[in-house]
Amino acid sequence: NAGVTQTPKFQVLKTGQSMTLQCAQDMNHEYMSWYRQDPGMGLRLIHYSVGAGITDQGEVPNGYNVSRSTTEDFPLRLLSAAPSQTSVYFCASLGTGTHEQYFGPGTRLTVT
Amino acid sequence: AQSVTQPDIHITVSEGASLELRCNYSYGATPYLFWYVQSPGQGLQLLLKYFSGDTLVQGIKGFEAEFKRSQSSFNLRKPSVHWSDAAEYFCAVAFRGGGGNKLTFGTGTQLKVEL
Repeated sequence: NAGVTQTPKFQVLKTGQSMTLQCAQDMNHEYMSWYRQDPGMGLRLIHYSVGAGITDQGEVPNGYNVSRSTTEDFPLRLLSAAPSQTSVYFCASLGTGTHEQYFGPGTRLTVT
Repeated sequence: AQSVTQPDIHITVSEGASLELRCNYSYGATPYLFWYVQSPGQGLQLLLKYFSGDTLVQGIKGFEAEFKRSQSSFNLRKPSVHWSDAAEYFCAVAFRGGGGNKLTFGTGTQLKVEL
């Protein structure tokens, strides 16, 4: 099992550009989520999904869109990047009946 | 809303010394409790977790944590720190009613180990 994978590892965007951060898991986990990590603020939940076709907002959803068409994939879309979205983004998944989340290696995004 | 407080932003200990990292949570009921470690440039690794039962839980890498309901605390300890333990440590909680899915993290404690 590869676990939770994220691509790309690094990305630089200009203000106003759009992009999609990819996240995939091969553990057949129903629940997946996206967090952002900023210095001195820990990790904050952006969006999450409890299964294919079902998504919901977390603590800091503004500026981000998600969809969940398959169990394996949970992409995060930035429609119009802003410098405030400079951060490290982590995807995670959690198996049904467990309470342990598995994190991907992260994507470091810089918006100039 | 639930919240997690890690009062120490930075901690420096000598190699071989004991370590305690503090974590307090604010919530109406006992949540699921977690400690994660993050090495520089890496993702998060789960050290240990508390769901129920014995309030002293053992984790990986020689870490343990004790849940104290009366103090709403879940402090992380290690009897003898190794230089490789230098990293950032995050305490996190999850609401039981939501299936323990949505994690709320503390702001982290950066551990430096002096040789």
